[in-house]
Amino acid sequence: DTAVSQTPKYLVTQMGNDKSIKCEQNLGHDTMYWYKQDSKKFLKIMFSYNNKELIINETVPNRFSPKSPDKAHLNLHINSLELGDSAVYFCASSQDGVAWRPFFFGQGTRLTVV
Amino acid sequence: DQQVKQNSPSLSVQEGRISILNCDYTNSMFDYFLWYKKYPAEGPTFLISISSIKDKNEDGRFTVFLNKSAKHLSLHIVPSQPGDSAVYFCAAIPDGGSQGNLIFGKGTKLSVKP
Repeated sequence: DTAVSQTPKYLVTQMGNDKSIKCEQNLGHDTMYWYKQDSKKFLKIMFSYNNKELIINETVPNRFSPKSPDKAHLNLHINSLELGDSAVYFCASSQDGVAWRPFFFGQGTRLTVV
Repeated sequence: DQQVKQNSPSLSVQEGRISILNCDYTNSMFDYFLWYKKYPAEGPTFLISISSIKDKNEDGRFTVFLNKSAKHLSLHIVPSQPGDSAVYFCAAIPDGGSQGNLIFGKGTKLSVKP
């Protein structure tokens, strides 16, 4: 049974479209995250939610909006997609938001904007 | 500006030998260091961590060494196995950093040859 699952695994879409990536964790964790791995392979945090409340919002364009309907889900909605948004997006969760606890990552969503 | 650097993009080792993966950092205020392992098309998996107040942490075949004066840490895998072939990410947490603020290096791809 997958601990952190993301859908879809691959997403190819045209510039200007709006798309969502879904994430669910069944670990009972309080904190969920979105990370972006760009073409240079750096993994950078985008958002962090603790018990449905936004904790971290790094410098990402307003076109990116996280939505947390409950503490087991953290979806990522992207408006007006641009070529530069192409990357692999990882969802993760951790037990109590303390960063040195092991993060559990989803398998990633490879987004390609054409 | 890269605060966590993994200068070797790849490393090839014979099965049974020691693998040594290196990581350098620039911020002396980092509080914790972590290593993650990533297989293709999967999310990163937590491997081992070390507090900045320690110089060594061991877990089975994996040992992490921290040299604070040199701002350097290394991951030793002994003995190396073909299943260890993956990308290894070094990550750091700033002292008092907000939840989820893991700063990752670019990763080192380890290949263990039978």
